Amino acid sequence: EAGVTQSPTHLIKTRGQQATLRCSPISGHTSVYWYQQALGLGLQFLLWYDEGEERNRGNFPPRFSGRQFPNYSSELNVNALELEDSALYLCASSRGFGGNTIYFGEGSWLTVV
Amino acid sequence: AQKVTQAQTEISVVEKEDVTLDCVYETRDTTYYLFWYKQPPSGELVFLIRRNSFDEQNEISGRYSWNFQKSTSSFNFTITASQVVDSAVYFCALANTGFQKLVFGTGTRLLVSP
Repeated sequence: EAGVTQSPTHLIKTRGQQATLRCSPISGHTSVYWYQQALGLGLQFLLWYDEGEERNRGNFPPRFSGRQFPNYSSELNVNALELEDSALYLCASSRGFGGNTIYFGEGSWLTVV
Repeated sequence: AQKVTQAQTEISVVEKEDVTLDCVYETRDTTYYLFWYKQPPSGELVFLIRRNSFDEQNEISGRYSWNFQKSTSSFNFTITASQVVDSAVYFCALANTGFQKLVFGTGTRLLVSP
């Protein structure tokens, strides 16, 4: 069974540009989560999608947005990139919610220059 | 508010030593879930274990064992006979059933030298 897959692996963008990161959950999983791991800031919860709807959002500005598609895949958009957006963005999925195990992908490294 | 504390920032051991990673959590929920993840240099978070708040049984999986104690709000992780491949950052995390948001500790970097 394939795990959570993310693309691209690495992305370099210029300040002010937009970045789009993509995630495919494990087959059968309906919930998708996004986490940011910036240097020195630890793992921060960004977004949670389930059945196509945004269920919860972390303390991030509105320029961080995303969506979940009918096939449960998801994309994360970051607009007006700032240098501090440079981080590892981890996508995760679970079979529904309510305490189910959350499995992570390998992440997308975003560098803003 | 939920909080996870991993007081050990970095631990260095020599191969074959036993090592325990500490995790202390705070939550007001009566039902919650605790997790341990391993993050090798590649970046992927590898799931190790999930424990429900109502199940205080300790668990052993090969060289790994976990000690869950609600009385002290701790969920410690022990690696027996450590190996170089165990070198990674280990994260403890807490989730409730409502918001399905993992709250992570700051992680413990484990360095196992030959």
